[in-house]
Amino acid sequence: QVQLVQSGAEVKKPGASVKISCKASGYTFSSYYMHWVRQAPGQGLEWMGRINPSGGSTRYAQKFQGRVTMTRDTSTSTVYMELGSLRFEDTAVYYCARDHRFDYWGQGTLVTVSS
Amino acid sequence: DIVMTQTPLSSPVTLGQPASISCRSSQSLVHSDGNTYLTWLHQRPGQPPRLLIYKISNRFSGVPDRFSGSGAGTDFTLKISRVEAEDVGIYYCMQTTQFPPTFGQGTRVEIK
Repeated sequence: QVQLVQSGAEVKKPGASVKISCKASGYTFSSYYMHWVRQAPGQGLEWMGRINPSGGSTRYAQKFQGRVTMTRDTSTSTVYMELGSLRFEDTAVYYCARDHRFDYWGQGTLVTVSS
Repeated sequence: DIVMTQTPLSSPVTLGQPASISCRSSQSLVHSDGNTYLTWLHQRPGQPPRLLIYKISNRFSGVPDRFSGSGAGTDFTLKISRVEAEDVGIYYCMQTTQFPPTFGQGTRVEIK
């Protein structure tokens, strides 16, 4: 069965970077794009960007351009999302989600930005 | 960016009764390939969202048939024929027709 397992919660200081992983299993990793979506406490869903695991190409939401980097490791079927220059308002749960249908989601990774 | 607007934002419902959520997009969601990439997601408290319906009306694997989607162009509806306790949570519509993907604000469904 398809599973997306994300790395654990992180606490970071303002200005730092965070790198979250999403390990895929149960399907052909390179066949489906992977998206990253975040959800601030009590708020809705916000799309951040996506990566094509096949060639590594990426597209990011304009809001995060210059601050976000998405990469993948095909040998471990893992995608990564790194967000830099963290601000208090980046405190959120970050999700990976598969395919243009967003058909499978990771369990979420809480990132807390606190001084 | 396409703006997705959901109504109502909150929907108290009685168990066994129907519920309906509307979603309107600021532009047509018909893609150049002829498909309309309108998706409905459901998020229970403390859980990640899960896919309910894609391309307006296609139920995802394992989704009960009490859920149905309809609409075209810019106006879409999610209906629950008979609400069950496990249906509580927040429902989001989203579009992936045009870059970037965008979400509605969410509609909270709760039991009266």
